[in-house]
Amino acid sequence: QKEVEQNSGPLSVPEGAIASLNCTYSDRGSQSFFWYRQYSGKSPELIMFIYSNGDKEDGRFTAQLNKASQYVSLLIRDSQPSDSATYLCAVNGGNQGGKLIFGQGTELSVKP
Amino acid sequence: DTEVTQTPKHLVMGMTNKKSLKCEQHMGHRAMYWYKQKAKKPPELMFVYSYEKLSINESVPSRFSPECPNSSLLNLHLHALQPEDSALYLCASSQGGQSWGPQHFGDGTRLSIL
Repeated sequence: QKEVEQNSGPLSVPEGAIASLNCTYSDRGSQSFFWYRQYSGKSPELIMFIYSNGDKEDGRFTAQLNKASQYVSLLIRDSQPSDSATYLCAVNGGNQGGKLIFGQGTELSVKP
Repeated sequence: DTEVTQTPKHLVMGMTNKKSLKCEQHMGHRAMYWYKQKAKKPPELMFVYSYEKLSINESVPSRFSPECPNSSLLNLHLHALQPEDSALYLCASSQGGQSWGPQHFGDGTRLSIL
């Protein structure tokens, strides 16, 4: 069983719509949750992190965490073609030092 | 511009060569990381340094040798690599300490082994 799973892509949304990216994790001791955006040929860029249950908003991005359900999501409002990228969910377990466990990534395509 | 700087950006080397990848950060972070990333795959952790000491080695072959000369610098020494080692090598840093903090990646070094 994979430790971090993301919904399979590619995910295609029209410009201006809300893109919803989902991630589940298996380690109940996980404490820190991250979303990275990676453009083709580039390095991952941190866009959101969340440590507590609930929502965290930053501009057009909202991260949602539900530790009881072991679920974390990323919502992108007013999606733009420039949001087209692969989004990586990463989880840091409480007893794994600095090790991040990455999901396989979801490719998002925003169509004009 | 990223706050984690990696050099070189591209590297082509033969299987008998010795080369080094370099990483520098000036964010006062005390944890630094090396990752390897293949196309269409997530980054794969290789090494973690915490307060200049190696804390995680993910069973990486000995042809990869990390070094942390000080809290701002991280090197990865390469020797006798194989074609399958061709990949994007990413350095990252984070606050470190008990909470570790978010990891910030450099732009990476794209390595090709002939």
